[in-house]
Formats: sequence, C-alpha cells, structure tokens
Amino acid sequence: GDSVTQMEGPVTLSEEAFLTINCTYTATGYPSLFWYVQYPGEGLQLLLKATKADDKGSNKGFEATYRKETTSFHLEKGSVQVSDSAVYFCALSGRGNAGNMLTFGGGTRLMVKP
Amino acid sequence: KAGVTQTPRYLIKTRGQQVTLSCSPISGHRSVSWYQQTPGQGLQFLFEYFSETQRNKGNFPGRFSGRQFSNSRSEMNVSTLELGDSALYLCASSLALAGAEGETQYFGPGTRLLVL
Repeated sequence: GDSVTQMEGPVTLSEEAFLTINCTYTATGYPSLFWYVQYPGEGLQLLLKATKADDKGSNKGFEATYRKETTSFHLEKGSVQVSDSAVYFCALSGRGNAGNMLTFGGGTRLMVKP
Repeated sequence: KAGVTQTPRYLIKTRGQQVTLSCSPISGHRSVSWYQQTPGQGLQFLFEYFSETQRNKGNFPGRFSGRQFSNSRSEMNVSTLELGDSALYLCASSLALAGAEGETQYFGPGTRLLVL
C-alpha cells in the first residue's frame, strides 16, 4: 500500500537557519502530495501542496517540489523563525475511489531557538 | 467562512463505555473524513463519508463507526472503549471526494479522548 517516510525529529535550529525536512513516498499511480503543520494543542493546517510531477508548492516562505523520479517531496525554508516551531507532516492522497484518504508520515518536530 | 468544528474538545471516559464525537464541516463541503492520532501510531485514517455514504474505511475494528447527515455533519461512535482508544480524533472536510486531483482536506481542532 501507500506509505510516507519522513526524517525523524526533533530538528533543532537557530533562528534564521536553513530548514530541510526530507519526505519520500511509495504510491501507485500519481498521488497528490501535501505538507501539513500542527501547532501545540491544535489540529492540522495545510501548509502547501503539489498535484503533479515537477510542481512546486509554496506558502509562508516554505517550498517543496514534487520529484517523481526520486519519489520525494522535501520541505525547505530559507530562514526559519521561532514561530515556525511545530510538528510537520508530509502526506499523500491517491486519486479516485481507491485513494480518497490521506496517508501521513510520522511527523517531524521542529524546534527553533532564538 | 467558518472552519471545521468538532465537539466536544475534550472527553474523559472509562473502559467499556461508548462515546460519540461530532464534526461540522466547512459550509458547502460534502466529504468528511476522520483520523485518529496517537503518539505510537501517528495519524491513521478511520473512514470517509460523502453524501451520507461511507466511501472508504481504514483498518479499525467494528467498534469504530460513523455516519453522515443530510447537512454533511458527521458523527463517529466508539463502543466498548479500551485504554488504547485514548487519542486525538481529527475530522477533516473537503469539497468533493478527497483524493480527487488537488483536493485539499481541511482539519478541525480535534477531540481529545482519554479512556481511564
């Protein structure tokens, strides 16, 4: 079945450092890919998405490119802030009736220190 | 436009009891999905409803059930609660069937269930 693998955390960075969170997937067909963020005590918020190969999703300074050849969707940000501290989830969804659910990675906790 | 709302936000039950959680999707959204989040298993898909019909079901025992009403609001029920059912239960809504190209699921804040 479909699966998503993320780098384990926590990832601890200083403010203004460069962030990369690795995400690779296994899926049949051509899934859509997502990054969600979860702040303490809250639900998931969509950060960005990409629906086909070579698409780049971006939002709030975060970017991720859908790489079909390497089955990856790594999350990057050039300069992190303390307010970016949260848990980040990579996810995929299939297409059609066979894949109407989100499959999540295990999550990566990011801690940004001032 | 109001987001996905879930009630109650917190719940404490004892083993053997049953519980019902409620989810109101974003206005106009017809698909509602439920997920269980635990520290050990992460985020796992429970089931998805669209137009009052269950369209997909995850790998959970029959104690977990749900339904959707004509106004797209959804409830999930867990019977004969076990300690391992303690979790954050998240509801998500989308315009149409989740999984359609580019379709995004929007999540509520969750209901935190503690089983003693």
